[in-house]
Amino acid sequence: DTAVSQTPKYLVTQMGNDKSIKCEQNLGHDTMYWYKQDSKKFLKIMFSYNNKELIINETVPNRFSPKSPDKAHLNLHINSLELGDSAVYFCASSPKIMTVYPPRVNEQFFGPGTRLTVL
Amino acid sequence: DAKTTQPPSMDCAEGRAANLPCNHSTISGNEYVYWYRQIHSQGPQYIIHGLKNNETNEMASLIITEDRKSSTLILPHATLRDTAVYYCIVREAGNYGQNFVFGPGTRLSVLP
Repeated sequence: DTAVSQTPKYLVTQMGNDKSIKCEQNLGHDTMYWYKQDSKKFLKIMFSYNNKELIINETVPNRFSPKSPDKAHLNLHINSLELGDSAVYFCASSPKIMTVYPPRVNEQFFGPGTRLTVL
Repeated sequence: DAKTTQPPSMDCAEGRAANLPCNHSTISGNEYVYWYRQIHSQGPQYIIHGLKNNETNEMASLIITEDRKSSTLILPHATLRDTAVYYCIVREAGNYGQNFVFGPGTRLSVLP
C-alpha cells in the first residue's frame, strides 16, 4: 500500500503549457506539503495545507496554484510553464500528533516525486 | 528554522557503525532535531527526531549533546542500502512549514 503517491512520475512539456501534478495520501494525516528540489539538490517548501486550508505559501510565483479538494489530496497546478520550473516536485504529509514524546507533528512522509522537464 | 552544518560526504564500511555529525549551534529551546535521508531518485525518508534526550528506533540512534548545539546520527550496522544523502534539520514542533529547507546534507557512501 502506497502511503503518499504522486502522478505522474515524469512530465515533459513545452514552455507556456499548463500542467497539474496530483498527490494523495492514505495515512489519515492532517497536513500536506509541496516541495521543489532543484538542480543543486536543495529541497525547499512551496506550500503547506492543514485540513484543506493553506497554511504556508513560501515565495512562489502565482503561476503555481495548489488545490486541496479534501484532506487526503493536494494537487499542484502550474500555469504558463517556464524553463526554470524544471525540477523534481515532492508531495509530503505529516500527522497532527502532539500527545506523545517527542511529538510526531512534523514527521513527514514523502511521495516518490514528479520529475518535471520544461522544453 | 535554525541553520545546520554537516560534512558534505562520508564513507563507511559495510557492517560498521556510521556516525553522521551535525552542528546546530543557534538552535532554540523549543526546536527539535530531525534526521531524514534521501536515497537516489526517491523522496526523503524520515529517520528519527529528538529534543534533548537521546533517542533510538529501529533505524538509528540520535545522540544530542547536553548543550544541544550538535548531534550525531548513528546507523549501528550500515548496509549498502544505507547509501544516501542524510539531512539534519531543526524546527519547532507545530511549525507547519515555514522556512522548511533540506540541504545540502551529508552524502554517505557505504562501501563493501
